[in-house]
Amino acid sequence: DAKTTQPPSMDCAEGRAANLPCNHSTISGNEYVYWYRQIHSQGPQYIIHGLKNNETNEMASLIITEDRKSSTLILPHATLRDTAVYYCIADRDSSYKLIFGSGTRLLVRP
Amino acid sequence: SAVISQKPSRDICQRGTSLTIQCQVDSQVTMMFWYRQQPGQSLTLIATANQGSEATYESGFVIDKFPISRPNLTFSTLTVSNMSPEDSSIYLCSVRRGQGNIQYFGAGTRLSVL
Repeated sequence: DAKTTQPPSMDCAEGRAANLPCNHSTISGNEYVYWYRQIHSQGPQYIIHGLKNNETNEMASLIITEDRKSSTLILPHATLRDTAVYYCIADRDSSYKLIFGSGTRLLVRP
Repeated sequence: SAVISQKPSRDICQRGTSLTIQCQVDSQVTMMFWYRQQPGQSLTLIATANQGSEATYESGFVIDKFPISRPNLTFSTLTVSNMSPEDSSIYLCSVRRGQGNIQYFGAGTRLSVL
């Protein structure tokens, strides 16, 4: 699995967009970019994933660069409940196990 | 999605004792995964449990310390044996399934060893 690099921490104001970057320069052609988050004291929660096209769901948008070496998770209107650790993972959808990096700790300020 | 129930949700144990954590999934899955999350750290995969076969352990984890059972396609247990304070962690059960092979997690078991 490709290694991913994320900033250890970020913050944003409530109501503003939170843009979380992820570098995955060694990603291979059959690896997806997955995003999960872990709110304090809870199990990780799936957010979104994509291969090369931008994706959007009710939680977030995922923007993947054309060369697929990096991506950005966008929370369009961050709330206090979005304060969590966000994990970016490059993985094959046929893979049988998910390996977590250290993630980005996002703090949403009132 | 998947509904994963873990028991107990938390426990405080004495060193030298063992604790068995149960994980129940709402539908049949081939593989179940056990993770450990030490305080302030990310998740580390302990082992993968297949029904009807021995679990596959990741580097640094051994069966004597973390025996796993997988009696059927919806249930698994993880035992933390001969506990020490270093075993104080959150232990999480997980499955992958569905379109996109998304991984789902239980709420975790918060273990404190005195």
